[in-house]
Amino acid sequence: QKEVEQNSGPLSVPEGAIASLNCTYSDRGSQSFFWYRQYSGKSPELIMFIYSNGDKEDGRFTAQLNKASQYVSLLIRDSQPSDSATYLCAVARGGAQKLVFGQGTRLTINP
Amino acid sequence: NAGVTQTPKFQVLKTGQSMTLQCAQDMNHNSMYWYRQDPGMGLRLIYYSASEGTTDKGEVPNGYNVSRLNKREFSLRLESAAPSQTSVYFCASSEARGGRASTDTQYFGPGTRLTVL
Repeated sequence: QKEVEQNSGPLSVPEGAIASLNCTYSDRGSQSFFWYRQYSGKSPELIMFIYSNGDKEDGRFTAQLNKASQYVSLLIRDSQPSDSATYLCAVARGGAQKLVFGQGTRLTINP
Repeated sequence: NAGVTQTPKFQVLKTGQSMTLQCAQDMNHNSMYWYRQDPGMGLRLIYYSASEGTTDKGEVPNGYNVSRLNKREFSLRLESAAPSQTSVYFCASSEARGGRASTDTQYFGPGTRLTVL
């Protein structure tokens, strides 16, 4: 079992709809969780992080964390074509910030 | 502020050749990292440096060496390149000094695309 798993997609969502991206992790000692967006040929950029159970909202983005189920998700409301990218889930176990990344989910927003 | 810069942007090597990838950051960050990204594999940590003067192995360190030259610069060296090292290499930095820094944000450079023939 991989430490961090994501559905590689592609995930296709119509413009204006909600895109839901999921991530599971295997290490119960994981403390914080990050979502990065990566456009084709570019470097990853942080969207948001979460470390407490529940929801965290930032604009059109909501991260959801359920430590009991070892599950973290990212919701994108009112999806735009500019949201088309690969979304990477990353998990930190504390210490010197050794992130473990999932393989990424490729999201396409269709106009 | 340039953020994190990497050189070169592209490189083609023959098997057995050596090279050094350079990384520099101007954000006064304490920690720096080297990752590789292969199709379908996400990013994997090669080495990291929690602070100036220290380096530690990550998930896939074999075939690589690193040097934290000073607080700004962190280089990655391939002593004898192999086709399996064909990848995109990203350098990143973060403010953390080590210890508990669970919400520390890593900022990535633009990447180096390396092909080993």
